[in-house]
Amino acid sequence: DQQVKQNSPSLSVQEGRISILNCDYTNSMFDYFLWYKKYPAEGPTFLISISSIKDKNEDGRFTVFLNKSAKHLSLHIVPSQPGDSAVYFCAARGGQGAQKLVFGQGTRLTINP
Amino acid sequence: ETGVTQSPTHLIKTRGQQVTLRCSSQSGHNTVSWYQQALGQGPQFIFQYYREEENGRGNFPPRFSGLQFPNYSSELNVNALELDDSALYLCASSSRQGTYTEAFFGQGTRLTVV
Repeated sequence: DQQVKQNSPSLSVQEGRISILNCDYTNSMFDYFLWYKKYPAEGPTFLISISSIKDKNEDGRFTVFLNKSAKHLSLHIVPSQPGDSAVYFCAARGGQGAQKLVFGQGTRLTINP
Repeated sequence: ETGVTQSPTHLIKTRGQQVTLRCSSQSGHNTVSWYQQALGQGPQFIFQYYREEENGRGNFPPRFSGLQFPNYSSELNVNALELDDSALYLCASSSRQGTYTEAFFGQGTRLTVV
């Protein structure tokens, strides 16, 4: 049962343009959502998060949007840079003190010069 | 660099053998979580340790076990290895009071079972 889904395995974007990565979830008990970035041979690096009580969180070039009614979140990167090329994972934390993160399958983002 | 180190970085084992993976947590962090990442998938939660006690477990069989030591470093043990155990094993260190925004991952141990 895949509770967090990233339906696009890959995405290719021109440098300087906007990258939009999408994530859907099924469990309405999730209380926190996070995006991680992963380079080859490295562990995931935390990028940005959003609480379920908010609908937007911004940090520099990165903005995460949460649509609770649609159970959908997205990560916007503007402008996209070559160093943004990596695999991006969406993750959700279960509510009521649950400690585990549930990850999506990941989207490989490639920024083309 | 996160300060979370895992060893070894790569390992090859034979089916049926046992393996121990190690993780040293970031200074000041008292919680360690372990994840398994199969090829082409996202990380899957195995279990978490807080102050040397297991604090939550994912859908993994009992042959996956762990330890946390007084210095908050941790071990993941897997007995009776199966081919499907081949994966990247990730350790994440965090502070108990924090959300996962405080979690830092190590670089992982790539386990291959042949």
